[in-house]
Amino acid sequence: QLQLQESGPGLVKPSETLSLTCTVSGGSISSSSFYWGWIRQPPGKGLEWIGTIHHSGSPYHNPSLKSRVTISVDTSKNQLSLKLRSVTAADMAVYYCAGHGELGELNHWGQGTLVTVSA
Amino acid sequence: QSALTQPASVSGSPGQSITISCTGTSSDIGGNSYVSWYQQHPGKAPKLMIYDVGNRPSGVSNRFSGSKSGNTASLTISGLQAEDEADYYCSSYTSSTTLYVLFGGGTKLTVL
Repeated sequence: QLQLQESGPGLVKPSETLSLTCTVSGGSISSSSFYWGWIRQPPGKGLEWIGTIHHSGSPYHNPSLKSRVTISVDTSKNQLSLKLRSVTAADMAVYYCAGHGELGELNHWGQGTLVTVSA
Repeated sequence: QSALTQPASVSGSPGQSITISCTGTSSDIGGNSYVSWYQQHPGKAPKLMIYDVGNRPSGVSNRFSGSKSGNTASLTISGLQAEDEADYYCSSYTSSTTLYVLFGGGTKLTVL
């Protein structure tokens, strides 16, 4: 059973960089069957796609965040990472990592981690 | 690209059926994309309920069904049960010329 677990600081200062890691267990992040993505959800609001990566390809990002986002995969550690630069209060959200197949079906989710942006 | 449009809320009584719509454009829902639906209970991660318009993952009740017509996708829940009360999100996944995921704004389902 594939399991995903997000980790990282729960508090980030404005203008700094948010850095999160997602550790995948029960399967390989190098699997050709899976794409890996980050999704966020501001408190009380809906889901927003941040970006997606396949271990063998380039990442894809939400155009609204593209200039601030870096998504990468570390196959040696079976981890997915997210870096979001120059954060503001608008970036405060629960951040989820998730895995999906070629039909975009996000069928594996981490539990989510709340990131607060505050000085 | 704008979020997909869903009604903010729907409600129904136990045993009834409800339908949640998800409206996009010819560039997403109505185009070469894959539609999925997610259920989210408070404080929990979303759960995949429907993928590729009308397919159910293993373990999801057959009370949940999906369809699409033009630029609008729909999720129908029949035989409403108390545990169906949750937020529901549609999404559109495009991977032709580029890869892009759009979510709907979410619909709060209340079981009366």
